[in-house]
Amino acid sequence: GAVVSQHPSWVICKSGTSVKIECRSLDFQATTMFWYRQFPKQSLMLMATSNEGSKATYEQGVEKDKFLINHASLTLSTLTVTSAHPEDSSFYICSARDPDEQYFGPGTRLTVT
Amino acid sequence: GDSVTQMEGPVTLSEEAFLTINCTYTATGYPSLFWYVQYPGEGLQLLLKATKADDKGSNKGFEATYRKETTSFHLEKGSVQVSDSAVYFCALIGGKLIFGQGTELSVKP
Repeated sequence: GAVVSQHPSWVICKSGTSVKIECRSLDFQATTMFWYRQFPKQSLMLMATSNEGSKATYEQGVEKDKFLINHASLTLSTLTVTSAHPEDSSFYICSARDPDEQYFGPGTRLTVT
Repeated sequence: GDSVTQMEGPVTLSEEAFLTINCTYTATGYPSLFWYVQYPGEGLQLLLKATKADDKGSNKGFEATYRKETTSFHLEKGSVQVSDSAVYFCALIGGKLIFGQGTELSVKP
């Protein structure tokens, strides 16, 4: 099946700094990518939907100025957590859709100290 | 709006026991239905799917049947293994993928 990669797999940063997470579809082109956030023992919460070449669509309650999403090409989307705070610590998962299915990356564990 | 409800976990079973994880949904139209599995520290993997009523999805010994009349998509496995320990998510797609809350399964030797 199709593969979606994320980088880095884990990151620790200091409060107030910014962190960028990359999501790549390795063997298919994804016009639509999704970013999810997952808290321990909980389900995935959709943060935003990004379409290649256009602005991301954010879910209600997600701060677009804090979670910057760029879908620069058909195989790459990035999520930048700006001015990170400890409450942003979470597991971030990206997903990419081809016509038949939605594939998930392995996730990025962000810890803000 | 569309929604998915799963049975609460955690579910603890002994190896070779029969597994059922209930999933019901609310949706307009006839969405495709999915079961995803998440192993500790990892992302989600598609386990199986069904795209229309009465379809049965199956993979790795797991099965689920799309029941329109009961709006259900229960996950079953006849004999679980320790390696099946994970969190299982039921989901539907209607524009965007909507997940249930997840059910943690723990299988003891």
